[in-house]
Amino acid sequence: SQQGEEDPQALSIQEGENATMNCSYKTSINNLQWYRQNSGRGLVHLILIRSNEREKHSGRLRVTLDTSKKSSSLLITASRAADTASYFCAMPYTGGFKTIFGAGTRLFVKA
Amino acid sequence: DTEVTQTPKHLVMGMTNKKSLKCEQHMGHRAMYWYKQKAKKPPELMFVYSYEKLSINESVPSRFSPECPNSSLLNLHLHALQPEDSALYLCASTRTGGDEQFFGPGTRLTVL
Repeated sequence: SQQGEEDPQALSIQEGENATMNCSYKTSINNLQWYRQNSGRGLVHLILIRSNEREKHSGRLRVTLDTSKKSSSLLITASRAADTASYFCAMPYTGGFKTIFGAGTRLFVKA
Repeated sequence: DTEVTQTPKHLVMGMTNKKSLKCEQHMGHRAMYWYKQKAKKPPELMFVYSYEKLSINESVPSRFSPECPNSSLLNLHLHALQPEDSALYLCASTRTGGDEQFFGPGTRLTVL
């Protein structure tokens, strides 16, 4: 069963607007990651936030982590049409190789 | 070289065929993964190899048979598949002790 849930399932915005997607999880984690997947392609790692971090930035990406609420959010600022993709949060199982992916948010940015 | 390659990009096979998917990376990563992804769903883990040894098998049917001939190569042998096995098959790798996964572009498999 999936460890992560994401919302919204789909998001449609205009170019230039910000996009926020949320991820909730059930068990303790060491870190949480976000990946992007363009249609029918492989996943690309975007950012990793460790359990002792609250916020992390990378370019137009801002990720927050609230371990007390077991939730994370990904903010994409000043979105572009090229940001159109599916975004997945991912939680590695502690001490193992297994990573569970959230259900994903499909983002569509209209030019 | 920081990429994972997968061949073929597309594969159509009948239920009685035998085919193989190939994955290769030259980043020195010692953990390699196979995932299955259905449309509009997240990737589901199938197998993990660590140092060329099978570490995780997520109760995958025996019609899928993984193989790791060396530290750079991962194969997935397919036999007697069902139409419901049609999906995007993704390969990934991680460096030792790392969590960031590097994904290949995937093989789109259609079983007729």
